[in-house]
Amino acid sequence: DSGVTQTPKHLITATGQRVTLRCSPRSGDLSVYWYQQSLDQGLQFLIQYYNGEERAKGNILERFSAQQFPDLHSELNLSSLELGDSALYFCASSVAAGAIQETQYFGPGTRLLVL
Amino acid sequence: SQKIEQNSEALNIQEGKTATLTCNYTNYSPAYLQWYRQDPGRGPVFLLLIRENEKEKRKERLKVTFDTTLKQSLFHITASQPADSATYLCALAINEKLTFGTGTRLTIIP
Repeated sequence: DSGVTQTPKHLITATGQRVTLRCSPRSGDLSVYWYQQSLDQGLQFLIQYYNGEERAKGNILERFSAQQFPDLHSELNLSSLELGDSALYFCASSVAAGAIQETQYFGPGTRLLVL
Repeated sequence: SQKIEQNSEALNIQEGKTATLTCNYTNYSPAYLQWYRQDPGRGPVFLLLIRENEKEKRKERLKVTFDTTLKQSLFHITASQPADSATYLCALAINEKLTFGTGTRLTIIP
């Protein structure tokens, strides 16, 4: 158990809908990262928040947005969902801001299926 | 553009032998490289980090090498066991973001 929690574990929804994925980092970790993993694309970095502020951005679509709250939990919002958004979404956390020299602790993931 | 390649999609090794996985990268000079293990349907788990000025790092039965001239990292599991069967991912920090390779699915055959 990494100490990172994600809810829900599974999510099934329809195209065009909007969903929110939630992540609670490990106690004491200030950085939260979001990743998307699909069979054809592998593990792709989406976005990082550090202590409530956006820190780094990856290949995140404009239909997707995220935020980190004062209690450090984070939410990833996915809107106007398409079939291709079906994937595993992982949240990870680390103590500080730098991905370069820090271990990232991954949550169990949310499996999203868009029908 | 940045490219990270892991030697093969799948690797089958006999129990007790050494498994060697390869991570090659182009167009970048990372200061650090990390290796993660991922089991089906679960999040990646950090294994080892190696810095550019370190040639080799060990942790129990695991060994990682980092050759910045060849732009390659090798990941070894000695005395492999069926419980080592998983997908192994290498990851490089590129522009302050962790970029993952596509992974190698390792199967240890009893």
